[in-house]
Amino acid sequence: GAVVSQHPSWVICKSGTSVKIECRSLDFQATTMFWYRQFPKQSLMLMATSNEGSKATYEQGVEKDKFLINHASLTLSTLTVTSAHPEDSSFYICSARDPIGETQYFGPGTRLLVL
Amino acid sequence: EDQVTQSPEALRLQEGESSSLNCSYTVSGLRGLFWYRQDPGKGPEFLFTLYSAGEEKEKERLKATLTKKESFLHITAPKPEDSATYLCAVHYGQNFVFGPGTRLSALP
Repeated sequence: GAVVSQHPSWVICKSGTSVKIECRSLDFQATTMFWYRQFPKQSLMLMATSNEGSKATYEQGVEKDKFLINHASLTLSTLTVTSAHPEDSSFYICSARDPIGETQYFGPGTRLLVL
Repeated sequence: EDQVTQSPEALRLQEGESSSLNCSYTVSGLRGLFWYRQDPGKGPEFLFTLYSAGEEKEKERLKATLTKKESFLHITAPKPEDSATYLCAVHYGQNFVFGPGTRLSALP
């Protein structure tokens, strides 16, 4: 299957700092990428849809000023958690949508711990 | 109301004991149904895409089938390495919705 990478795989930061997570599609150009959040023993919750060259579309209840998304190229989307707080600690996973079959291929995830 | 459910929530099988996982959906305009496997602390790994009722796909010990209301993931003679959470996701309209998952434990 297609390969999607995420960096970093885990990050620990102090409350109030900002953290940037990168998501790269390595095998195909993805006009659409997605950002999910997952809590322990729960399914994935879609946070936002990232569209190359345009503004991201956020799901209801997700603060767009807190979770900044940039999709500057067809292979890279970034999620920046601004002024992180302990409640933002979670597992963040990105995916890239194959433009032909519309399958979403997922990255390995980034575990964020805010102290 | 559009909905995607999975059953059972958890399943414990002895090695070699075959079973099926269910994904039921009530959505309009299905564009595709996807099965993923997720190991703890990792992102979901793509398994299958099904587009229309009657379609079947196989990969090693796994076989996915699709009807107009549900999909089954059949696991034949599972091995301990098949232990994972299996997620289905439904693509309809502009939506891509995951089910809650089935946690499979294949015991040696």
